Amino acid sequence: QTVVTQEPSFSVSPGGTVTLTCGLSSGSVSTSYYPSWYQQTPGQAPRTLIYSTNTRSSGVPDRFSGSILGNKAALTITGAQADDECDYYCVLYMGSGIRVFGGGTKLTVL
Amino acid sequence: EVHLVESGGAVVLPGGFLRLSCAASGFTFHDYSMHWVRQTPGKGLEWVSVISWDGRNTYYADSVKGRFTISRDNTKNSLFLQMNSLRTEDTAFYYCAKGSSGTITSPEYWGQGTLVTVSS
Repeated sequence: QTVVTQEPSFSVSPGGTVTLTCGLSSGSVSTSYYPSWYQQTPGQAPRTLIYSTNTRSSGVPDRFSGSILGNKAALTITGAQADDECDYYCVLYMGSGIRVFGGGTKLTVL
Repeated sequence: EVHLVESGGAVVLPGGFLRLSCAASGFTFHDYSMHWVRQTPGKGLEWVSVISWDGRNTYYADSVKGRFTISRDNTKNSLFLQMNSLRTEDTAFYYCAKGSSGTITSPEYWGQGTLVTVSS
C-alpha cells in the first residue's frame, strides 16, 4: 500500500522561507493527485491552506503557496512568523474516490 | 460564513454503534461534496469518507469500509456518519468538512469535531 510521506519535523528562522514536501513511498506526485495542505495547532481543528495543488483557501495570506517540486507536492512558507509554528498535513487523491493524509510535519520557528 | 457543527460523539463499547451528525450553514449545502476526517488524540489526520453533492457517490477508507456509512439530507443541510461494529482503534475526534470547489474535492472548511471513545 502506497504511503504518503512528509518530513516529521522542520525548523525555520523567523522571517525565513521553508518548503515542506509531500511525497509517495512509491511513485511521483503530480497535479492529478490534487494535493492539499492543512495547518493545525494543538487542540484546534485543522485549517485549510491550499487545495488542488496551488489554490489558496479563502483568507490565507500569500505567504503560503503550493506547487509541485520534482516528484513531490510542496508547501512554501515565506516570511515565517512565530504563529506558523504548528503541524502541517498534506492529503493526496489516490484515485477511486480515496484520499490519504500524510503523517504531518511539525514546524518549529526559531 | 461557513459553519459546521458536529454532534453525536460519545463513549461506546467495542462492537457497538453510533451515529454522528453535522449541521451545515453559511453555504449552499447541496452544491458541495462533504467529507469526514478523524484524528486520534495526539496523532495525525485520517481521511474517513466522502459523499457527493447529491449523495449518489460515496467512498471510504479501507479501515472503515463495510462498517461505516456516510449519508446526507440536503433538505436539512445535514451530514451523517453511521458507525457500526466499532473498534477501540476508532477512538478519535471526528471532523466533518465541506469539500473544496472542483471535480476532485478535498476537505476545505472544518467543524470543531466530536469525540468518539470506544472502550470497555
